[in-house]
Amino acid sequence: NAGVTQTPKFQVLKTGQSMTLQCAQDMNHNSMYWYRQDPGMGLRLIYYSASEGTTDKGEVPNGYNVSRLNKREFSLRLESAAPSQTSVYFCATRDSLEEQYFGPGTRLTVT
Amino acid sequence: AQSVTQLDSHVSVSEGTPVLLRCNYSSSYSPSLFWYVQHPNKGLQLLLKYTSAATLVKGINGFEAEFKKSETSFHLTKPSAHMSDAAEYFCVVSLDSWGKLQFGAGTQVVVTP
Repeated sequence: NAGVTQTPKFQVLKTGQSMTLQCAQDMNHNSMYWYRQDPGMGLRLIYYSASEGTTDKGEVPNGYNVSRLNKREFSLRLESAAPSQTSVYFCATRDSLEEQYFGPGTRLTVT
Repeated sequence: AQSVTQLDSHVSVSEGTPVLLRCNYSSSYSPSLFWYVQHPNKGLQLLLKYTSAATLVKGINGFEAEFKKSETSFHLTKPSAHMSDAAEYFCVVSLDSWGKLQFGAGTQVVVTP
């Protein structure tokens, strides 16, 4: 089992460019999450999806959109990247015992 | 509103000595609390969790944490540090039943030989 996978691992964008971060899980969990991690700030929730077909905003949703394509996949889209979106992005899923399982992360730099 | 404060941004210990990472939380009810560990350039891994059963919680790799409601604390300890414990540690509180989490700012642990 791969668990939670994320693509790409690294990405460099110019200001104004768009891109989609992909996340997939093979754990059959209903809930999925997108976080960003910045130095000294822990992880902050961008969006989450409690089940297939539903999404909701987290703490820092501005500048992002998400799609829960099916139970396995949850993508994060930056429509017009800004330098403030330079960060490490983590996808996670949650099991019935409240534990969250994290992917390896995507390191994004916006110049 | 729930929040979590990690009292130390960096902790340096010698191999074989005890580790103490301090965490205080604020909550209007008895929350679920977690400690996660992140090794360099890796994702996060759950060390342990408190969900209102026993107040002393044992986790993986010899770590444990004690929930103290009177002190609103959830400190993480390990009796003897290993070099492999060098990582960043996050204290986390659950915000609601949807799984939204509030992370502390993290404590970077350095283990010296």
